[in-house]
Amino acid sequence: DVVLTQSPLSLPVTLGQPASISCRSTHSLVHSDGNTYLIWFQQRPGQSPRRLIYKVSTRDSGVPDRFSGSGSGTDFTLKISRVEAEDFGVYYCMQGTYWPPWTFGQGTKVELK
Amino acid sequence: QVQLVQSGAEVKKPGASVKLSCKASGYTFADYNMHWVRQAPGQGLEWMAWIIGGNGDTRYSQKFQGRLIITRDTYSSTGYMELRSLRSEDTAVYYCLTGAFDYWGQGTLVTVSS
Repeated sequence: DVVLTQSPLSLPVTLGQPASISCRSTHSLVHSDGNTYLIWFQQRPGQSPRRLIYKVSTRDSGVPDRFSGSGSGTDFTLKISRVEAEDFGVYYCMQGTYWPPWTFGQGTKVELK
Repeated sequence: QVQLVQSGAEVKKPGASVKLSCKASGYTFADYNMHWVRQAPGQGLEWMAWIIGGNGDTRYSQKFQGRLIITRDTYSSTGYMELRSLRSEDTAVYYCLTGAFDYWGQGTLVTVSS
């Protein structure tokens, strides 16, 4: 199975400052069709996860442009350009290139410093 | 708009079974696949199973092979997840979601306790 390792697991941030989360895979996530199926989710406390970004860098509708995804192969990053209060929560990466199983990272908790 | 509405919380004893439902609306049910994912208290997300909306073909995590069954009823646009031989470690919130991971249900808390 593909293992995704996120870092850091806890990220204290100051409002208005940038934040960055890394997601590293044990296997290259480039599919034979040329796409890379790496997704980022946000989970606010008490809520269901919400998809933010798919195929590495494509933002979902309604996702603020302060969120961006990048990376290739085995290394991926989610960046928040300026953290706002509504951004606190846990962020997960997930791969959909090699399945089953679809696999998630452990999660990164973004919290107020 | 797409909505997935899951059944209510359950409390079960170890060894029992639980069957959860997930009613979809806002799209043609048979055109989309459905996943089930769970989250133990304070823990991360764990993929469990996937069903093809059109033909009902399924894929399961090896971790649950033999005690997990997912089905769907295209007439009522409802997906089902049945987990057998429950143990305390199965206490979790169970989510249904669409095949592209873009829409999630509200989750169902299953508590396994003697």
